Amino acid sequence: AQKITQTQPGMFVQEKEAVTLDCTYDTSDPSYGLFWYKQPSSGEMIFLIYQGSYDQQNATEGRYSLNFQKARKSANLVISASQLGDSAMYFCAMREERRDDKIIFGKGTRLHILP
Amino acid sequence: GAVVSQHPSWVICKSGTSVKIECRSLDFQATTMFWYRQFPKQSLMLMATSNEGSKATYEQGVEKDKFLINHASLTLSTLTVTSAHPEDSSFYICSAPVVPGQGSDTEAFFGQGTRLTVV
Repeated sequence: AQKITQTQPGMFVQEKEAVTLDCTYDTSDPSYGLFWYKQPSSGEMIFLIYQGSYDQQNATEGRYSLNFQKARKSANLVISASQLGDSAMYFCAMREERRDDKIIFGKGTRLHILP
Repeated sequence: GAVVSQHPSWVICKSGTSVKIECRSLDFQATTMFWYRQFPKQSLMLMATSNEGSKATYEQGVEKDKFLINHASLTLSTLTVTSAHPEDSSFYICSAPVVPGQGSDTEAFFGQGTRLTVV
């Protein structure tokens, strides 16, 4: 069974609009962390935001925020005021403490920002 | 901040030859390094975990003799693709999971990745 599910293979969004990228996860480990990474065509992995399983508040980093719904096992990424440079592949990932902190990735969402 | 430096960024090799990819942790010591492979338009798949001073652990389905991993020091982990074939062509990327001293609530640091093409 997939541990990280990203149901949107691709999205097209108009510039300056907000966009939500979906991510659900599956774990029985009480201690885990959730990440979002951006991967442009160059291949580098750019860290965007992190949410710990014990964090009470949703994480925010500039234009990025993580909508953490623990009971639903959901960790959606919200990008406000999208920019052309946001066009890239976005990966949701999870780290589980009892799996030696290995980070596993979802299949990703290709985001296209339209001018 | 902590950086993982990966080299080479790209390599083209002939079928049957071996290729070594290096990942160095700069300004911090990495006791563990994760190695991933990414085929075009696919996700990152964890291949193996290298551990300083001990044998690497491989994920199910990954050939140990094909992908040799060595973690010789606290700042260097290497992946050697032995007897490479065209189907090994992929993007390989390393990651240090946590930065010692910064706790577990932090990002994982990735190398820049290596694009391997076997012809």
